[in-house]
Amino acid sequence: SQQGEEDPQALSIQEGENATMNCSYKTSINNLQWYRQNSGRGLVHLILIRSNEREKHSGRLRVTLDTSKKSSSLLITASRAADTASYFCATPLEYGNKLVFGAGTILRVKS
Amino acid sequence: DTEVTQTPKHLVMGMTNKKSLKCEQHMGHRAMYWYKQKAKKPPELMFVYSYEKLSINESVPSRFSPECPNSSLLNLHLHALQPEDSALYLCASSQDGYNSPLHFGNGTRLTVT
Repeated sequence: SQQGEEDPQALSIQEGENATMNCSYKTSINNLQWYRQNSGRGLVHLILIRSNEREKHSGRLRVTLDTSKKSSSLLITASRAADTASYFCATPLEYGNKLVFGAGTILRVKS
Repeated sequence: DTEVTQTPKHLVMGMTNKKSLKCEQHMGHRAMYWYKQKAKKPPELMFVYSYEKLSINESVPSRFSPECPNSSLLNLHLHALQPEDSALYLCASSQDGYNSPLHFGNGTRLTVT
């Protein structure tokens, strides 16, 4: 079953611009996680935000969480060509025993 | 480089072959996972091991058989696979189930001919 839905499915921007990706989910959660995947590689954890947090920062990344709307966003500021990757949100299901990934957003940053 | 090591990186096998995928982590994580990922799709959970015991099997066909010999190693034994099983197989580990981040290996690209 798919818990998270992401939009847009694909995003193409110029280097230096900001990129925003959104994630919506269906059930109550205790945390939401964002991951990046470069082509053909494993996933890399970016940020974990807990249900009692509204915003979290890590370098050029900013994640927000709105539990009333069951949605989260990932903002990448001052994008670089190296940010080109797929980005997934992921939420625990069934009392935290399963981590389910959204469909993902493919980000392309043009230099 | 990742802290979770998967071997082999690539594997081509026939439908009658038996092969194994291996995963190793030395971070002291107590939970380990197998995910399957098809092209342009998100990873799908297959198995979860917690403290070396199988805790979740997502109704995976018996031609996939997981094994956790110790807290650092996770294997996935493959037998009589089908071409539709071709995918990227990802191993991951975490300190505290899904309350902590997952650390992924770079995966094994499996092709079944």
